[in-house]
Amino acid sequence: GDSVTQMEGPVTLSEEAFLTINCTYTATGYPSLFWYVQYPGEGLQLLLKATKADDKGSNKGFEATYRKETTSFHLEKGSVQVSDSAVYFCALIKTGANSKLTFGKGITLSVRP
Amino acid sequence: KAGVTQTPRYLIKTRGQQVTLSCSPISGHRSVSWYQQTPGQGLQFLFEYFSETQRNKGNFPGRFSGRQFSNSRSEMNVSTLELGDSALYLCASSRSPGTDNTEAFFGQGTRLTVV
Repeated sequence: GDSVTQMEGPVTLSEEAFLTINCTYTATGYPSLFWYVQYPGEGLQLLLKATKADDKGSNKGFEATYRKETTSFHLEKGSVQVSDSAVYFCALIKTGANSKLTFGKGITLSVRP
Repeated sequence: KAGVTQTPRYLIKTRGQQVTLSCSPISGHRSVSWYQQTPGQGLQFLFEYFSETQRNKGNFPGRFSGRQFSNSRSEMNVSTLELGDSALYLCASSRSPGTDNTEAFFGQGTRLTVV
């Protein structure tokens, strides 16, 4: 079945550091890929998405490129802020008969001042 | 426009009881999905409803059930609660399932604690 693998966490960075969170996927067909963020005590918010190979999703300084050849969708940000501290989930969805999201396990990011 | 609304936000129940959680999707969205989030298992898909029909179901026991009403609001029910059912239950709404640009919007969740 479909699956998403995220790098092990947690990750702790200093403010203004560069961030990379790895995400790889296994799926048949051509899934759409997403990054969701969850702040403490909240639900999930869509951070960015890409629907086809070589698409780059971007939002709030975060970027991720859909790489079909490496089945990856790594999240990057050039300069993290304390307010970026949250849990980040990589996810995929297959177009077709349903809207089931398959999530990675999530990774906790802590940014210290 | 209003986001996805889940009620209640917090719930404490005793083992063996049953519970009903509610989700009101974004206006115009007809697809509602439910997910269970626990520290050990992460985010797991429960089921999806579209136009009052269950379209997809995850790997959960029959104690977990749901329904969708004609106004797209959805409820999920868990009967004979077990300690392991303690989790954050998240509802997501989207316009319709299976489109090329499917985007799901999540509610804040209902935190269920079973004691």
